[in-house]
Amino acid sequence: KQEVTQIPAALSVPEGENLVLNCSFTDSAIYNLQWFRQDPGKGLTSLLLIQSSQREQTSGRLNASLDKSSGRSTLYIAASQPGDSATYLCAVVRGSSNTGKLIFGQGTTLQVKP
Amino acid sequence: DTEVTQTPKHLVMGMTNKKSLKCEQHMGHRAMYWYKQKAKKPPELMFVYSYEKLSINESVPSRFSPECPNSSLLNLHLHALQPEDSALYLCASSPRSGRNQPQHFGDGTRLSIL
Repeated sequence: KQEVTQIPAALSVPEGENLVLNCSFTDSAIYNLQWFRQDPGKGLTSLLLIQSSQREQTSGRLNASLDKSSGRSTLYIAASQPGDSATYLCAVVRGSSNTGKLIFGQGTTLQVKP
Repeated sequence: DTEVTQTPKHLVMGMTNKKSLKCEQHMGHRAMYWYKQKAKKPPELMFVYSYEKLSINESVPSRFSPECPNSSLLNLHLHALQPEDSALYLCASSPRSGRNQPQHFGDGTRLSIL
């Protein structure tokens, strides 16, 4: 059974700091891994999607890496801003899946203080 | 603004009521999803529709009844719900069903059962 874990559950940093969010998964046979952002009371916004054959993806100040063999992914946020405050969720699609079912971690709630 | 629109944003209902949640998208997507999200937990998949046909039911109780009347619209009919069904209900869509299809989420309906 695939399990996805995100540590820490919550993180508070001062504005401008670079930070790393962690995601680990127990079964390395994944098809892809996705990072989402969720603002309070809102839906999910897709940030980055990494295919199993890729090592990283970048979008603006965000960089996501994937080490499939060790079952880990990181989301690096450069020069954090108060607007980055949100819950960040990672989700994997199992390699055996035909349906694209997303298996989510519990999320990391980030607070960036001005 | 999200391209997946969910109504209502909030719903309070008694355990004997019948109500419906509505989800609409005009991106031409042919796969639509219902997720349930409890407070401080990740979303959990409930149903998947592909080309207006139910393709996945994640062992959801029959008091939740999905319906996909056309390719743009997805409903979730609610009847005789329990207090533990109080949650944020998220709708998502993707171009097709399958493991390489990015899902676009709505902002959800916050449901409270009295």
